Amino acid sequence: EAQVTQNPRYLITVTGKKLTVTCSQNMNHEYMSWYRQDPGLGLRQIYYSMNVEVTDKGDVPEGYKVSRKEKRNFPLILESPSPNQTSLYFCATHRGRVLVSNNEQFFGPGTRLTVL
Amino acid sequence: EDKVVQSPLSLVVHEGDTVTLNCSYEVTNFRSLLWYKQEKKAPTFLFMLTSSGIEKKSGRLSSILDKKELFSILNITATQTGDSAVYLCAAKTSYDKVIFGPGTSLSVIP
Repeated sequence: EAQVTQNPRYLITVTGKKLTVTCSQNMNHEYMSWYRQDPGLGLRQIYYSMNVEVTDKGDVPEGYKVSRKEKRNFPLILESPSPNQTSLYFCATHRGRVLVSNNEQFFGPGTRLTVL
Repeated sequence: EDKVVQSPLSLVVHEGDTVTLNCSYEVTNFRSLLWYKQEKKAPTFLFMLTSSGIEKKSGRLSSILDKKELFSILNITATQTGDSAVYLCAAKTSYDKVIFGPGTSLSVIP
């Protein structure tokens, strides 16, 4: 079954304590992306990766890091979390480049992060 | 600055009504327009549109893109309570950045 998994699904932490949210996909997709979703602001792209060892900043990359050492994994790292990073985070993947018709993007189930 | 605007932001209709959701965009290096449905969980993909004037259909949902006027519409005919959700529009650039709009919250009442 095609899947995008995220862990943890829920996390409450304190300011400054480094954390990693993992994202893994089993569809052999080249493209992976991280978003955060906040009320009134919608989904905003944090980082994306078009393939292994290739990452680019989205609209709101400040305070986040990513890595893409393997095709299936795309972890999101918060080196020093702050309360304004409290949000709902989604990982998403799709096959190849956008030029392919009906290139469906699959979203993970989401990670709800609270930073106190 | 790239932006995607959706209207209305919120809509309440009765079952059986037809609704039209609007999405306009101002995006550098625009490549495609995406529609998603989000219930109380992750967004699910509905349509991807890359060419103007070609309608995409899936059951009671259809969508079309106008690249000259920089907008897209999503139509839902004969609405059902199960169509209640937030509908998200997103523009994707040729550099693979994705910019989402704020969403339209649709409530379908019996």
